[in-house]
Amino acid sequence: TQLLEQSPQFLSIQEGENLTVYCNSSSVFSSLQWYRQEPGEGPVLLVTVVTGGEVKKLKRLTFQFGDARKDSSLHITAAQPGDTGLYLCAGGVNAGNNRKLIWGLGTSLAVNP
Amino acid sequence: EAQVTQNPRYLITVTGKKLTVTCSQNMNHEYMSWYRQDPGLGLRQIYYSMNVEVTDKGDVPEGYKVSRKEKRNFPLILESPSPNQTSLYFCASSPSGTNPHYGYTFGSGTRLTVV
Repeated sequence: TQLLEQSPQFLSIQEGENLTVYCNSSSVFSSLQWYRQEPGEGPVLLVTVVTGGEVKKLKRLTFQFGDARKDSSLHITAAQPGDTGLYLCAGGVNAGNNRKLIWGLGTSLAVNP
Repeated sequence: EAQVTQNPRYLITVTGKKLTVTCSQNMNHEYMSWYRQDPGLGLRQIYYSMNVEVTDKGDVPEGYKVSRKEKRNFPLILESPSPNQTSLYFCASSPSGTNPHYGYTFGSGTRLTVV
């Protein structure tokens, strides 16, 4: 069974602090996606990374795909209350003619003003 | 606005009463999928569709049916709902079911309670 483990599970920080959340697996993925989900809403795609070692930046968010394509990290600089939400990672694997996503359980982030 | 629209947002029903949750996307996406999200279990795929008239089971298909007669619509049918199907349901779409560069666009969710 393929698993994606996210850590930490919960994180509560003050506005302006930096943080990093992790997504780890023993499996190799063809892609790694990060989503943010707010309560009562659907996940919203933040980024897709497909190349080992790839780094992408989205304003104050930096995403990195591990060299072996088994893990990823999300770093937020100077967190703001608007960053509060559930951060989900999802790894893409090939399953026959379908690209299946393996989902982590998420990191719940609270940024306090 | 590009979006995935699910209806209804909230639904309370009784055991055994057939129901349909609708899903429609306006992005001409080929791939569509249904997920359920439960505390401690995360997102689990129910069914997916690679294109019109092509559907297949996900990880938790028991008790559900789907159809894909048109590209834009992908309804989820519960023929005889049971309390263990109480959950938060999401429809998602993607331009491709095979290209790893594409992410998913999710609907806003349907919170279903079966009593």
